[in-house]
Amino acid sequence: RKEVEQDPGPFNVPEGATVAFNCTYSNSASQSFFWYRQDCRKEPKLLMSVYSSGNEDGRFTAQLNRASQYISLLIRDSKLSDSATYLCVVNAGYNTDKLIFGTGTRLQVFP
Amino acid sequence: DVKVTQSSRYLVKRTGEKVFLECVQDMDHENMFWYRQDPGLGLRLIYFSYDVKMKEKGDIPEGYSVSREKKERFSLILESASTNQTSMYLCASSSGLAGPRYNEQFFGPGTRLTVL
Repeated sequence: RKEVEQDPGPFNVPEGATVAFNCTYSNSASQSFFWYRQDCRKEPKLLMSVYSSGNEDGRFTAQLNRASQYISLLIRDSKLSDSATYLCVVNAGYNTDKLIFGTGTRLQVFP
Repeated sequence: DVKVTQSSRYLVKRTGEKVFLECVQDMDHENMFWYRQDPGLGLRLIYFSYDVKMKEKGDIPEGYSVSREKKERFSLILESASTNQTSMYLCASSSGLAGPRYNEQFFGPGTRLTVL
């Protein structure tokens, strides 16, 4: 089983749509959770951290379910500029700075 | 803003050559990382360093070595390049402060290495 699993997509959605990505992780000792965004031929950049209580940043909402070891990202009112690959990221275990990256979910928003 | 720079965006080398990839960060971060990224495989950790002159193997260290003589600089060395080391190489840094919120990694723009 992969340490971090994501649906690779692609998700093709029209502008204005709401789209949700899911991710599962295998190490119950993980403490840090992130969503990164990676544009084509660019480096990954942090989109948002994911907190236990869930958190929102504008059109983006992240949720964490520790019991199920499940992370989600919801994007509302999709824009063309949201087209990218979204990487689910967790730290490798208790008290470590190593991160494990999922292989990413590709989103394509069309007009 | 954190800035992580890498010495080359594109590099073409021949099989058997020794290759140096340089990474520099300007935020006084303790931790530095080298990854390679391949289609379908995602980001895989090669080596990381949590202090000057300290290093730890990641998931795929074979064929690579690293050097960290100064806090801001982390070098990846391919002792004898092979065609299966053709890949995108990404360097990253993180603060090293205690606590999950400080695990965020900042990436350089990447070096696309082709080994012929």
